[in-house]
Amino acid sequence: SQQGEEDPQALSIQEGENATMNCSYKTSINNLQWYRQNSGRGLVHLILIRSNEREKHSGRLRVTLDTSKKSSSLLITASRAADTASYFCATVKSRFGNEKLTFGTGTRLTIIP
Amino acid sequence: NAGVTQTPKFRVLKTGQSMTLLCAQDMNHEYMYWYRQDPGMGLRLIHYSVGEGTTAKGEVPDGYNVSRLKKQNFLLGLESAAPSQTSVYFCASSYRDRPPGNTIYFGEGSWLTVV
Repeated sequence: SQQGEEDPQALSIQEGENATMNCSYKTSINNLQWYRQNSGRGLVHLILIRSNEREKHSGRLRVTLDTSKKSSSLLITASRAADTASYFCATVKSRFGNEKLTFGTGTRLTIIP
Repeated sequence: NAGVTQTPKFRVLKTGQSMTLLCAQDMNHEYMYWYRQDPGMGLRLIHYSVGEGTTAKGEVPDGYNVSRLKKQNFLLGLESAAPSQTSVYFCASSYRDRPPGNTIYFGEGSWLTVV
């Protein structure tokens, strides 16, 4: 069964606006990771947040983690056309490593120029 | 520095045929993984390896075999292809993930169609 579930499944916004995607999961985790996938390409790691962290930033990306609600959000600020892609959250269960990394079904983000 | 390289990129198989997908990484990573991606399903782990000569089953291992004879290579085999194995296959690698928290690097994918 899928550990992470992204919401919404699809999101379209105007260039320059902020995009927010959410991820919910079911069991306790060691860390949560966000990936980007451009159409027809492989996944690219964006950011990793550990279970004892609440917020991380990387450039225009901001990730939050609420372990009490078993949820995470990815915020992309000042969106660009190049941000058009699918975004996946993936969770690593407690006491395990990437061999137990479980991916959600993704959010398809479209940035309208 | 090529990263993770998969071959072939596209392949069409007939039901019952066999084939091998090759993955090569040049980052000296200990861990390697094979995933499949299907519409609406996200990525699912087929098999993985934590080092040369070792392999382990993932979430959906049935119908696949793997081998890791060299540290830099991880082969995925389909002995008797079935239409249900039509998918996009991704190879990935990472440094030893203990303690957990290492970035996974993905290849560009191999599109396999079984008719």
